[in-house]
Amino acid sequence: GESVGLHLPTLSVQEGDNSIINCAYSNSASDYFIWYKQESGKGPQFIIDIRSNMDKRQGQRVTVLLNKTVKHLSLQIAATQPGDSAVYFCAENIPGGGNKLTFGTGTQLKVEL
Amino acid sequence: AAGVIQSPRHLIKEKRETATLKCYPIPRHDTVYWYQQGPGQDPQFLISFYEKMQSDKGSIPDRFSAQQFSDYHSELNMSSLELGDSALYFCASSLRNEKLFFGSGTQLSVL
Repeated sequence: GESVGLHLPTLSVQEGDNSIINCAYSNSASDYFIWYKQESGKGPQFIIDIRSNMDKRQGQRVTVLLNKTVKHLSLQIAATQPGDSAVYFCAENIPGGGNKLTFGTGTQLKVEL
Repeated sequence: AAGVIQSPRHLIKEKRETATLKCYPIPRHDTVYWYQQGPGQDPQFLISFYEKMQSDKGSIPDRFSAQQFSDYHSELNMSSLELGDSALYFCASSLRNEKLFFGSGTQLSVL
């Protein structure tokens, strides 16, 4: 988050395809992870969360996978729609750090018709 | 359902001026968080309050201060504004350690 003029990684998918957005988190002690969707000019919107005692959680059209061994989180979106176009952030909560979240670098998802 | 309300939505200031951003949490939420998001960057945690007391502090400059009032709304005060303070400022609220809900942010432009 300190870089100037940072270009977000971009993922382009065709409408109807599945999307997979990846995130590497920083702290092996983190026990709670959240995926947020942020549309232009709006605040981050909660999508799905997962605790460290799980490795998979499913929601409506979304699945989060957690691999603690390599500190990796992924968000899978099934049947991607134009309304899914946004920047997606993963965030982690470190125990003892209150309830504040540390965000990872966002990924711009572009859905092509 | 009521969401987190932030005001103003947009703010334009000159260098060295002061600015005050306001945040009204979701009713019954007792914790507020402030984040700063520069262009193309991820949100950076600034500060948080629980039950009107500062609960955590992040990368908040000394020129900034914040407080949470008796009605749980919070204000972020920014003095001696610099060009680099131009960013989106988000407030989020939660009930204790539960899920954070974000407001739509205040876009601050320092000229």
